[in-house]
Amino acid sequence: DTEVTQTPKHLVMGMTNKKSLKCEQHMGHRAMYWYKQKAKKPPELMFVYSYEKLSINESVPSRFSPECPNSSLLNLHLHALQPEDSALYLCASSQQGGETQYFGPGTRLLVL
Amino acid sequence: QKEVEQNSGPLSVPEGAIASLNCTYSDRGSQSFFWYRQYSGKSPELIMSIYSNGDKEDGRFTAQLNKASQYVSLLIRDSQPSDSATYLCAVKTPSYGKLTFGQGTILTVHP
Repeated sequence: DTEVTQTPKHLVMGMTNKKSLKCEQHMGHRAMYWYKQKAKKPPELMFVYSYEKLSINESVPSRFSPECPNSSLLNLHLHALQPEDSALYLCASSQQGGETQYFGPGTRLLVL
Repeated sequence: QKEVEQNSGPLSVPEGAIASLNCTYSDRGSQSFFWYRQYSGKSPELIMSIYSNGDKEDGRFTAQLNKASQYVSLLIRDSQPSDSATYLCAVKTPSYGKLTFGQGTILTVHP
């Protein structure tokens, strides 16, 4: 089973709202990732968690706050976003060592 | 020079033909290479991974890697309209766990 799940599938939020994106995997992977993808562009790495600890932050603005409560779950907390943050947010996971990454279906976010 | 480069296309091939997708990378230390397929509005789906020089075949798909030339390709034999998608080449950089993606090649297979 190579399934990564994400909720919600779609999210519309105002610039003053606080919301969270959730990601879950049950493959025993110990590395989890958040990516942002704009239309007609490749995914851009935002954060990497390894063994539930943040290992890479690609200079992401503080209005995005990741959290890894346990080895199966990854959250992305959103606060005071801007319209340009509207995008497809992808979660991925991999075995420790970061070889093959498997992507979830994504959350399509619209910031008004 | 971009780290991973692909022809953006669009690449258009007739049904039944061979589609050839190409990718070059700049970091000679790269060791792991991946092809993802992404349908419009969907997330990337892994098609192939390749780590050693040469060819790797999986059904209608063949990945080819030439580390000396820093070149990786994907061949799709007997192309079907359902293969129409954006194909992303991804290279694992020596820094831990980071995949660098090319811009993607849009493939259209017409009946």
